[in-house]
Amino acid sequence: QQQVKQSPQSLIVQKGGISIINCAYENTAFDYFPWYQQFPGKGPALLIAIRPDVSEKKEGRFTISFNKSAKQFSLHIMDSQPGDSATYFCAASIKTGFQKLVFGTGTRLLVSP
Amino acid sequence: DAGVIQSPRHEVTEMGQEVTLRCKPISGHDYLFWYRQTMMRGLELLIYFNNNVPIDDSGMPEDRFSAKMPNASFSTLKIQPSEPRDSAVYFCASSGSENSGNTIYFGEGSWLTVV
Repeated sequence: QQQVKQSPQSLIVQKGGISIINCAYENTAFDYFPWYQQFPGKGPALLIAIRPDVSEKKEGRFTISFNKSAKQFSLHIMDSQPGDSATYFCAASIKTGFQKLVFGTGTRLLVSP
Repeated sequence: DAGVIQSPRHEVTEMGQEVTLRCKPISGHDYLFWYRQTMMRGLELLIYFNNNVPIDDSGMPEDRFSAKMPNASFSTLKIQPSEPRDSAVYFCASSGSENSGNTIYFGEGSWLTVV
């Protein structure tokens, strides 16, 4: 119940295309869903996050779509750029336990020029 | 803001040796986390502190691992004795519950290889 399942494991997208990464969870107590971006040799960095009271959150080219009934959320990267090539992790935590983020297994994104 | 600072960035050690990883959290943050990242297991929370007190160490793999936070600006993760299966990237992270909401800020990691 504590798992967050992430897919795909890897993704290749052409420059200008849309990258879509999906995550699913079981624990209905989760109420905070961040996405982290990790470049090689660096630590993960918060990219964007959403709470279940909204179905979508957009920040620049990055959008989280959230489907509470399906217990799924996804990251969309519009107009993907080579600089977006990185590993993306979805995560989830409960309101009273933000400290214990449960991470997905990661998606390695390569945006080809 | 210097971010979370970790040292060493890279460590190669022989099996059986003691390894000490160090972390300086972001000033003013009251939560400190130690994570381990491997290809097989992904990102795992090992332990976290709140106001220098260990709150949850349920992720610490075994007694060979220990972590301390003697003051608000310093923490260590120690492995003694080290084993090849401890080879991983160890991340320290911090969060300020009042100032940054739920955002957890990661350091650049300490890459440990045990041969």
